[in-house]
Amino acid sequence: GAVVSQHPSWVICKSGTSVKIECRSLDFQATTMFWYRQFPKQSLMLMATSNEGSKATYEQGVEKDKFLINHASLTLSTLTVTSAHPEDSSFYICSAKSPGLAGVVRETQYFGPGTRLLVL
Amino acid sequence: AQKITQTQPGMFVQEKEAVTLDCTYDTSDPSYGLFWYKQPSSGEMIFLIYQGSYDQQNATEGRYSLNFQKARKSANLVISASQLGDSAMYFCAMREGLGNQFYFGTGTSLTVIP
Repeated sequence: GAVVSQHPSWVICKSGTSVKIECRSLDFQATTMFWYRQFPKQSLMLMATSNEGSKATYEQGVEKDKFLINHASLTLSTLTVTSAHPEDSSFYICSAKSPGLAGVVRETQYFGPGTRLLVL
Repeated sequence: AQKITQTQPGMFVQEKEAVTLDCTYDTSDPSYGLFWYKQPSSGEMIFLIYQGSYDQQNATEGRYSLNFQKARKSANLVISASQLGDSAMYFCAMREGLGNQFYFGTGTSLTVIP
């Protein structure tokens, strides 16, 4: 199946610093990528939709100035957590929308392996 | 109202037995897609199976099958011949129409007992 990578897989940082997380689609072009946040034993919560070449669309309650998203190319989207605080500690997962192949593979979303962020 | 409801927070199944994970959905859009994902302890979300609202037959992928009952708005996942490696969280998700957003359920934790 399609492969989406995330980097880093783990990050520990001090409060007040900024952290950048990369999401790459390795074998397909993704015009749309998504960023999710997941707290322990909870479901995924969509934070924002990242569109290549345009501004990201943020879900209600998500601070766009705190969670900066850049979708600079068809294979890369980045999420920057600015001035991170302990409450930002979470598991961040990206996904990329695969267009699918007509008659062969259905369009779906493929997820990256996630990034665990711990802010001290 | 919740778009996706998974009423089983935890399930246990004996190895080699079959298990059904429940999922109901709520939408007024006639076109939608239903997905199941597996999330092991590593955190990665693994795509398992897809069912389109217009699909006439229930989807099957190896040991996974989707029991799609449109009138009841349910899309239960059936795992046959459970294996120890099936122990994980399972999430049901829906996409409405041509929209991009996925709506996820709260998940079901499956434990396969040797």
